[in-house]
Amino acid sequence: GAGVSQSPSNKVTEKGKDVELRCDPISGHTALYWYRQRLGQGLEFLIYFQGNSAPDKSGLPSDRFSAERTGESVSTLTIQRTQQEDSAVYLCASSPLLGGPTDTQYFGPGTRLTVL
Amino acid sequence: DAKTTQPPSMDCAEGRAANLPCNHSTISGNEYVYWYRQIHSQGPQYIIHGLKNNETNEMASLIITEDRKSSTLILPHATLRDTAVYYCIVSFSGGYQKVTFGTGTKLQVIP
Repeated sequence: GAGVSQSPSNKVTEKGKDVELRCDPISGHTALYWYRQRLGQGLEFLIYFQGNSAPDKSGLPSDRFSAERTGESVSTLTIQRTQQEDSAVYLCASSPLLGGPTDTQYFGPGTRLTVL
Repeated sequence: DAKTTQPPSMDCAEGRAANLPCNHSTISGNEYVYWYRQIHSQGPQYIIHGLKNNETNEMASLIITEDRKSSTLILPHATLRDTAVYYCIVSFSGGYQKVTFGTGTKLQVIP
């Protein structure tokens, strides 16, 4: 079946502009994660959604970052007033969370954001 | 969440077994060991996971020490396509836990 998809694949923007990144999780997956990966670095957790529970926003680096998800569908990560240090690949992952050892995360290809 | 320690890089000759170590000395009893890999410019890909028994699938084998404080991912016959960054993480199963991927081990398979 279809995997996790993300759009756009690449985004170039000017400093100070707002950007919106989209993630389409695997159908039926309850959990959705956003990560940021700077060049040559590991994955940095940003935010987690599970069903209708309150999201874990503890990884969001500043109030310029926000994310939404309606139910178990699409999620949008918004970065307001972008800065050059926001340049990174933003990765989305979804997970079924059915109980037992099934919280394997399935990753999308990422959105490469470049802030000029 | 438990932290893991991995060597930053390793080389392996093509066709030989690649053995990637991971230390997770603070792992708790209900945490699983997961391995993912990230090939250049792609999202991470799940490889294998285990609790305390050794596991094998079509991609790799996972050897977990009896005290569960460390594990080894084994790629039995490494190919050039196995060149990637390999991440070892620990995570609860069946429930949410924020996981930390760290910087992983960059495996370079050499012709």
